Amino acid sequence: QKEVEQNSGPLSVPEGAIASLNCTYSDRGSQSFFWYRQYSGKSPELIMFIYSNGDKEDGRFTAQLNKASQYVSLLIRDSQPSDSATYLCAVRTGGGNKLTFGTGTQLKVEL
Amino acid sequence: DTAVSQTPKYLVTQMGNDKSIKCEQNLGHDTMYWYKQDSKKFLKIMFSYNNKELIINETVPNRFSPKSPDKAHLNLHINSLELGDSAVYFCASSLLTVTSNYGYTFGSGTRLTVV
Repeated sequence: QKEVEQNSGPLSVPEGAIASLNCTYSDRGSQSFFWYRQYSGKSPELIMFIYSNGDKEDGRFTAQLNKASQYVSLLIRDSQPSDSATYLCAVRTGGGNKLTFGTGTQLKVEL
Repeated sequence: DTAVSQTPKYLVTQMGNDKSIKCEQNLGHDTMYWYKQDSKKFLKIMFSYNNKELIINETVPNRFSPKSPDKAHLNLHINSLELGDSAVYFCASSLLTVTSNYGYTFGSGTRLTVV
């Protein structure tokens, strides 16, 4: 079992819709959870982090964490074509600030 | 000013050669990392240094040798390059604290192609 799992996609949503990206992790001791966005040919860019159960909202983005189910998700409201990218879920475990990444979900927002 | 800068951006070299990639950060972070991203976009940690001390050393061939002369710089030297080393190598930095919820700041990456 992979430590951090994501559906590779592509996930296609129409412009203006809500995109829902999911991630599961295997280590129950995981402490912090991050979402990165990576455009093709570019470096990953941090867009959200969450460490408490529940929801965290930042603009059009909402991160949701359920530690009991070992599940973290990212919702993107009012999706725009500029949101088309690969979204990487990352999980921090241990004390060394090591981030373990999932393989990413490719999101396509269509006009 | 670029926060985490890597050089070179592209590197094309022949099998068996030795090459180095350099990374510098001006964010005042105390921890730096090397990640390898394969063709399927999977990012895998290779090494991490905190204040010049190696703190993460994943299962990586010993042809790869990192060096950190100070907390703002991290280099990666690769000996006897192989075709399978072709990938994008990302440098990243962060603050290392037990309660840190900081993510990493990534450099722009070095695309290594071994022919």
